[in-house]
Amino acid sequence: GEDVEQSLFLSVREGDSSVINCTYTDSSSTYLYWYKQEPGAGLQLLTYIFSNMDMKQDQRLTVLLNKKDKHLSLRIADTQTGDSAIYFCAESSYSGGGADGLTFGKGTHLIIQP
Amino acid sequence: DAGVTQSPTHLIKTRGQQVTLRCSPKSGHDTVSWYQQALGQGPQFIFQYYEEEERQRGNFPDRFSGHQFPNYSSELNVNALLLGDSALYLCASSLRKGRSNQPQHFGDGTRLSIL
Repeated sequence: GEDVEQSLFLSVREGDSSVINCTYTDSSSTYLYWYKQEPGAGLQLLTYIFSNMDMKQDQRLTVLLNKKDKHLSLRIADTQTGDSAIYFCAESSYSGGGADGLTFGKGTHLIIQP
Repeated sequence: DAGVTQSPTHLIKTRGQQVTLRCSPKSGHDTVSWYQQALGQGPQFIFQYYEEEERQRGNFPDRFSGHQFPNYSSELNVNALLLGDSALYLCASSLRKGRSNQPQHFGDGTRLSIL
């Protein structure tokens, strides 16, 4: 079945770059997503990439996709204290009816050191 | 532009009871999905509604049911509540365009506690 794996914790110094990694198993994935969750809140869509793309950049965020290895990464440049949160990788695979329930990893806790 | 709104924000029930959670999608969206997020876990897909029909379902028992209304809002119903149903329930909305969907946007969730 579908599975998404992430490291549970990442600690970086303020101002450095953070790289959060994710692997997935479903070769029919169409979109891959990164969501951010702060304590007590819902999920905020950060960015997403279509499966036929290799890279997408959006301000401080860079997403890299290696479809052959089924590996997705999120790079956050110039990490700030406000980036401290849990980051979820998710994939969508369309069902025959066009629905697209997402499969999430367990999330990576990004810890910022001053 | 209102985002996804969910009600109530918190709810306490006892085992065996029934609960209804509500969701209004982001303006312009026509598809609603529901997820369950247990403490320390990633969200798990429950089901997705489009054109008032359940289009896809995750690995959840029949105690979990839903409905979508003509105005695209949605309800999640859970019967015969178990202690293990305690979780954050997230609603997400998106816009279906042809065969593909735009990204899902999430509400802040309803935290359900079962005593």
